[in-house]
Amino acid sequence: GAGVSQSPSNKVTEKGKDVELRCDPISGHTALYWYRQSLGQGLEFLIYFQGNSAPDKSGLPSDRFSAERTGGSVSTLTIQRTQQEDSAVYLCASSLEAGEGSPLHFGNGTRLTVT
Amino acid sequence: DAKTTQPPSMDCAEGRAANLPCNHSTISGNEYVYWYRQIHSQGPQYIIHGLKNNETNEMASLIITEDRKSSTLILPHATLRDTAVYYCIVRWQKVTFGTGTKLQVIP
Repeated sequence: GAGVSQSPSNKVTEKGKDVELRCDPISGHTALYWYRQSLGQGLEFLIYFQGNSAPDKSGLPSDRFSAERTGGSVSTLTIQRTQQEDSAVYLCASSLEAGEGSPLHFGNGTRLTVT
Repeated sequence: DAKTTQPPSMDCAEGRAANLPCNHSTISGNEYVYWYRQIHSQGPQYIIHGLKNNETNEMASLIITEDRKSSTLILPHATLRDTAVYYCIVRWQKVTFGTGTKLQVIP
C-alpha cells in the first residue's frame, strides 16, 4: 500500500489481558516510530526503530510495554496485563531515514479500549 | 530540548489565507521545522518542513524568520476541509507534539 497501515483499527480488551498492535510502514522506510494519544491530548512518543534496532526505549511508560521490528519492516507493539489507563489511540509512523530532514508519515492508529 | 509555542485556537474565513504562527526560540542550527495537521480520528498528516529557506508545496507555504526563532504556516485559500489541529515541531526524534493550534475554517 501507499501509506502506513495499522491493525487492528479498533481493539477492545479486558483488563489484565495482553494485546498486540501491528504496524506496516511505507516500503523502503528505514525508521519506524510508535506514539500514543489519549483523548484530547497531544502525541506522546513511545519508541523508535532504525532498522530493527531501537536506540531509544525511554518513552515506553512501563515494563508492560514492549516493541519489536523484524526484517526492517513490520513492527508490533505489545502491552501485557493491560490496564484501563492504557486506553488510547496508538499511532505508528515511518520515515525514509531517521534524522533531520526526513518527515514522518503516520497511520490512522489503533484505538485501544481496556474495559 | 527545542520547544514550540502555538496559539491554542484560530478562526479563518473560508477562501481567505490562514496564517498559523509558531515560536521556536531554542531551535538548534541543524533542526528542521515540521508542520503536521490532524483531523479528528485520523493520524497526523505531514504538510511541509524547512530548515532556513521558505518552502512551498501543493498544500501550503512555510515562512521561517531569518533568526529561525519563529515560523508561519500559510494555507493560501482555506477550505472547510482545512479545519484541523495544526502542529509545529522542531525535534525529529523524541517529539512530543503538544496540543497545537485548533484551526476552525468558517463558511
